[in-house]
Amino acid sequence: GEDVEQSLFLSVREGDSSVINCTYTDSSSTYLYWYKQEPGAGLQLLTYIFSNMDMKQDQRLTVLLNKKDKHLSLRIADTQTGDSAIYFCAESITAGNMLTFGGGTRLMVKP
Amino acid sequence: ETGVTQSPTHLIKTRGQQVTLRCSSQSGHNTVSWYQQALGQGPQFIFQYYREEENGRGNFPPRFSGLQFPNYSSELNVNALELDDSALYLCASAGPQDGYEQYFGPGTRLTVT
Repeated sequence: GEDVEQSLFLSVREGDSSVINCTYTDSSSTYLYWYKQEPGAGLQLLTYIFSNMDMKQDQRLTVLLNKKDKHLSLRIADTQTGDSAIYFCAESITAGNMLTFGGGTRLMVKP
Repeated sequence: ETGVTQSPTHLIKTRGQQVTLRCSSQSGHNTVSWYQQALGQGPQFIFQYYREEENGRGNFPPRFSGLQFPNYSSELNVNALELDDSALYLCASAGPQDGYEQYFGPGTRLTVT
C-alpha cells in the first residue's frame, strides 16, 4: 500500500533555515501537501504542490519535489520560535480525496 | 483558523460504550473526511462523505460509521469502543470554491478507559 516516510526530529537555531524531508511510494500521487500541527491543535495547511511541478515558493516556505525519487522537501527560511511544531507531509491522488500522511517531523527551534 | 468546528473537545468513555463525534464544515464545503490520529502518529483516513454519500473508506472496521447531513455537517459514530480507539479524531472539509483543499477542525480527543 501507499507509504509516506519522514524523519522524526529536527532541531535548528532561530534565524537558520530548516529543511524537512519526506519520501512517498505511490507513483499515482498527484497532490503533495505540508501541514503544521501545534500542540493540542488540529492541522493547518501550509502549502501544496502538484506532481507536475518541481518547486513552489510561498513567502518563507519553499517546496521542492523530485518526482523521480519520490522525494518532497519543505524549506523554512529564517526559522522562528513560532515555527516549532510537528510538520506532516501528505499525498493524495485527487484533490479532496483521501490523504495519506507521514508520521510527522517535530521541529524544535532554539533561540 | 479554519471555519471547521468539532464537538466535543474532549471526552472519556469506557470500553464497550458507543460515542458520537460531530463536525461542522466550513461554509460552502460539500465534502467531509474523518481521520484518526493516535498519539505520536500521523492521521489515518477513516472515511469521506460527499453530498451525504460515503465516498471512500480507509482500513477501519464497520463499527466506525458516519453520516453527513443536508447542511453538510457530519457525525462519526464508534460502537463497542476499544482501548485502542483512544486518539484525536479530526474532521476536514473541502469544497469547490477552495479547489477541494482539506481544512481541518481542531479535533476531538477521545480517551477510552
